[in-house]
Amino acid sequence: KAGVTQTPRYLIKTRGQQVTLSCSPISGHRSVSWYQQTPGQGLQFLFEYFSETQRNKGNFPGRFSGRQFSNSRSEMNVSTLELGDSALYLCASSQGTGQLSDTQYFGPGTRLTVL
Amino acid sequence: AQSVAQPEDQVNVAEGNPLTVKCTYSVSGNPYLFWYVQYPNRGLQFLLKYITGDNLVKGSYGFEAEFNKSQTSFHLKKPSALVSDSALYFCAVRDGSNYQLIWGAGTKLIIKP
Repeated sequence: KAGVTQTPRYLIKTRGQQVTLSCSPISGHRSVSWYQQTPGQGLQFLFEYFSETQRNKGNFPGRFSGRQFSNSRSEMNVSTLELGDSALYLCASSQGTGQLSDTQYFGPGTRLTVL
Repeated sequence: AQSVAQPEDQVNVAEGNPLTVKCTYSVSGNPYLFWYVQYPNRGLQFLLKYITGDNLVKGSYGFEAEFNKSQTSFHLKKPSALVSDSALYFCAVRDGSNYQLIWGAGTKLIIKP
């Protein structure tokens, strides 16, 4: 099976702009989670989507939003970019059954740089 | 509240020596524990998980982890380290009440030739 894919791999934006990142999960996986990774804060959970519905949400401002399509592909959007949004954004897919043993599989990430 | 601690920011090991990366957890129910590895400029790769059963879990790339309920630990181990094992390692946990993964801060493993 193909793994999780994320596009684009690298992005450079300026403050105030908005950005959309895309994630295609492993075939058959219905859950997609998004994380922000920075050197200072580590891995921080943004949100999780399952069957086109946001199932869980982390503690991020409303500038961060996401959605999931009927084919389980997901996008996340960051509006009004700030310098502090510079990070590696990781997408993870899982079967999403709700089983506590469910394993997340990660994509390569999108490196966002805000100037 | 659930939490995960990786007490060492960095671990240095000589090639060929055994390695241990430590993880301790705090949950209110039964823990479901995971280890992931991240190579530079890459996403996280799943190594292994503990659900129930044998306390020694075997995973990818020759890694294994030992679950110790009394010490609430889930240390990652490998009998003989390779230079290519140098990477960032993350421990994560779920308990019986919450599907969301709680992540440790990560441990940088450096294997010296």
